[in-house]
Amino acid sequence: QQKVQQSPESLSVPEGGMASLNCTSSDRNFQYFWWYRQHSGEGPKALMSIFSDGDKKEGRFTAHLNKASLHVSLHIRDSQPSDSALYFCAASETGNYKYVFGAGTRLKVIA
Amino acid sequence: DMKVTQMPRYLIKRMGENVLLECGQDMSHETMYWYRQDPGLGLQLIYISYDVDSNSEGDIPKGYRVSRKKREHFSLILDSAKTNQTSVYFCASSSPGGNERLFFGHGTKLSVL
Repeated sequence: QQKVQQSPESLSVPEGGMASLNCTSSDRNFQYFWWYRQHSGEGPKALMSIFSDGDKKEGRFTAHLNKASLHVSLHIRDSQPSDSALYFCAASETGNYKYVFGAGTRLKVIA
Repeated sequence: DMKVTQMPRYLIKRMGENVLLECGQDMSHETMYWYRQDPGLGLQLIYISYDVDSNSEGDIPKGYRVSRKKREHFSLILDSAKTNQTSVYFCASSSPGGNERLFFGHGTKLSVL
């Protein structure tokens, strides 16, 4: 079983809608989380990190972390066609250089 | 310019041939990584390098080796490539301190026939 599991595998939302992506870790040592986005034919690009319980907002993106349940989510409001991409959750131990990635969620925003 | 550059972008090799994938970064980052990406598996860490000649195995190092003789350059070598090493390979770098964001290159799509 992968240490970082993402759901759903794929997601379609209408343009202007809200997209919600989930990530759960099975390792309590993972305390630091990053969200990455990968457009077709490119490398992943970092969106935002979260390591404190609660919400963190950056523009249209909001990450939420619940350390007790080891659950991280990413919410994208006012979704745009350019948000269509593969989204990865990555987890690491505090101060560690090694990241474990989930399998990804493929988001499609329909115009 | 905060860039990670990978060469080549596409590569086709025959089983048993040696493969060299190259990666450069212009951010003077100490830490560099090699990942491979396969559908349904996400990104899997092959090797991590903490600085010149300071390399450590990742989660799937078997069949791979690395070389880092200059801070800005990190190579991945496949000696006698196998068909199951067909994948997209990504190089990344990060600034020191741990838990920092990774900067990825565009990837090398390797096909081993």
